[in-house]
Amino acid sequence: GAVVSQHPSRVICKSGTSVKIECRSLDFQATTMFWYRQFPKQSLMLMATSNEGSKATYEQGVEKDKFLINHASLTLSTLTVTSAHPEDSSFYICSASGPTTGELFFGEGSRLTVL
Amino acid sequence: GENVEQHPSTLSVQEGDSAVIKCTYSDSASNYFPWYKQELGKRPQLIIDIRSNVGEKKDQRIAVTLNKTAKHFSLHITETQPEDSAVYFCASGGYQKVTFGIGTKLQVIP
Repeated sequence: GAVVSQHPSRVICKSGTSVKIECRSLDFQATTMFWYRQFPKQSLMLMATSNEGSKATYEQGVEKDKFLINHASLTLSTLTVTSAHPEDSSFYICSASGPTTGELFFGEGSRLTVL
Repeated sequence: GENVEQHPSTLSVQEGDSAVIKCTYSDSASNYFPWYKQELGKRPQLIIDIRSNVGEKKDQRIAVTLNKTAKHFSLHITETQPEDSAVYFCASGGYQKVTFGIGTKLQVIP
């Protein structure tokens, strides 16, 4: 199946700093990628839909200035958590739609810890 | 927007028994219903999906049923094995954008 790679897998940062997470489709082109947030023992909550070459579409309640999304190429979307605070600590996962069936393929996830 | 309810939240079964997880959805326009398995600290993996024009789909020990009239769908795992232990998420929506259920933690007891 299609492969989606996410980096970094773990990141620890100080409060007030910004953190960038990358999501790459390794063997296919993805015009649309999705970013999710998952708290411990909870479900995946869609944060935003990342569209190649255009602005991301954010879900209700997600601050677009807080979570900056850039999808500059057909294989890369980035999520930047700006001015991170401890409450932003979470597991962030991206997904991309596969090249043939439309099945969603997920990245490995990035665990962010803000001290 | 779409609202997906999933139950039970936890499920323990003896090895060899069957496990059933149920979900309901609210948006009658939803036409894609995937199920994902997520092991601790890992990415979700698609295990089976069903589209609105099909009532049932089976893949070895896993089956999914869909009742569009009642807006509910279920996952059935037969002959459970310890490696089936994980969190299972149902989802509902369009072909790419879906809303996830809260998840069911399945524990298969050897």
